[in-house]
Amino acid sequence: GAGVSQSPRYKVAKRGQDVALRCDPISGHVSLFWYQQALGQGPEFLTYFQNEAQLDKSGLPSDRFFAERPEGSVSTLKIQRTQQEDSAVYLCASSSRDRTGTIYFGEGSWLTVV
Amino acid sequence: SQQGEEDPQALSIQEGENATMNCSYKTSINNLQWYRQNSGRGLVHLILIRSNEREKHSGRLRVTLDTSKKSSSLLITASRAADTASYFCATAFQVGNTPLVFGKGTRLSVIA
Repeated sequence: GAGVSQSPRYKVAKRGQDVALRCDPISGHVSLFWYQQALGQGPEFLTYFQNEAQLDKSGLPSDRFFAERPEGSVSTLKIQRTQQEDSAVYLCASSSRDRTGTIYFGEGSWLTVV
Repeated sequence: SQQGEEDPQALSIQEGENATMNCSYKTSINNLQWYRQNSGRGLVHLILIRSNEREKHSGRLRVTLDTSKKSSSLLITASRAADTASYFCATAFQVGNTPLVFGKGTRLSVIA
């Protein structure tokens, strides 16, 4: 596609429910990033893939968060047993280069845990 | 944790005026980037300035970088109502493979 596509755009989950957020990066982009953005804050890094390899997952806040990119294209961020503090916008971004270059963001998945 | 700190947190100006936003950071960088985010949308890349550059222009945008002071500024000239958005600086570290680190942003309101 022309840009980074994320789905769902909006998700309301009950506390304790599992959620899966999907990201379809720009075609051919080898690098893929997940960021979490709380209201009124800047994006906080979660994890980074280069092709199918997850090179950095230091930002994942707990072992309830899991990300994968099995074929080096589409990525899924899974949050198990959601908590209220997980409520945020989850932004996916991709880049044709390494992690120091320009990255292109999707519109985000807005997660509200009630 | 966020490395970049934007200043001011919020800025309100009249259409046609210039808007200046500042960003300070703590460690040596490879480059610094500015992004814009409209309400409810994703971030859009505006400009990248490398550590060996001092100034860069793109249309109505002017970015400066002072590595001795570990600071950058973004100037938007002749602002328009459509410039209303949040602006974030993001730093790429000089050493290692850390990802872009974003600041908390400046919320700019341009009043017509």
